[in-house]
Amino acid sequence: DADVTQTPRNRITKTGKRIMLECSQTKGHDRMYWYRQDPGLGLRLIYYSFDVKDINKGEISDGYSVSRQAQAKFSLSLESAIPNQTALYFCATSDLSQGRAFFGPGTRLTVL
Amino acid sequence: QKEVEQNSGPLSVPEGAIASLNCTYSDRVSQSFFWYRQYSGKSPELIMSIYSNGDKEDGRFTAQLNKASQYVSLLIRDSQPSDSATYLCAVQGNEKLTFGTGTRLTIIP
Repeated sequence: DADVTQTPRNRITKTGKRIMLECSQTKGHDRMYWYRQDPGLGLRLIYYSFDVKDINKGEISDGYSVSRQAQAKFSLSLESAIPNQTALYFCATSDLSQGRAFFGPGTRLTVL
Repeated sequence: QKEVEQNSGPLSVPEGAIASLNCTYSDRVSQSFFWYRQYSGKSPELIMSIYSNGDKEDGRFTAQLNKASQYVSLLIRDSQPSDSATYLCAVQGNEKLTFGTGTRLTIIP
């Protein structure tokens, strides 16, 4: 079984719709991250969380919100999707001791 | 100035040669450094981590860190076609993990 899972894997939606991307992990890590990847722009950090009560904005948090429902679950929401949020979204977890990040398989989101 | 900078490439290297990938970072308090490999459409995969100055070798891969120059590099010896991918440099500071934009590497048979 995969250590970091993301659902859905692909999603096509329309402008203005609310979308939730979910991430679950079985690695037991406290730290979880949401990144988006666009061609030529690399991985950009949206939000990160060090535990259930600690949520932090990344470099591109506008238009997104997150919820850390449990140590193992971290969800990303787009309250009102817009076309420039079309991207590949990755969830990641990392261990506190060495900081190594492990990624989920990604969610390809298309906003029409 | 970007926090983590990489040459986007593409970098083309003949099969069997050494591929050299470079990365610079701006935050002097950075503590941990990583190289990830990403195949097209797939998620990044950790291939090397380095935490102190000097070289760290793992099979055909060698990571080099110079904190004074704020520079980290990855050498791939005996390059294989399967090494063709985008290589992402990542830097861990006090809190967040920041990635460079990646270098696209192509190994030419």
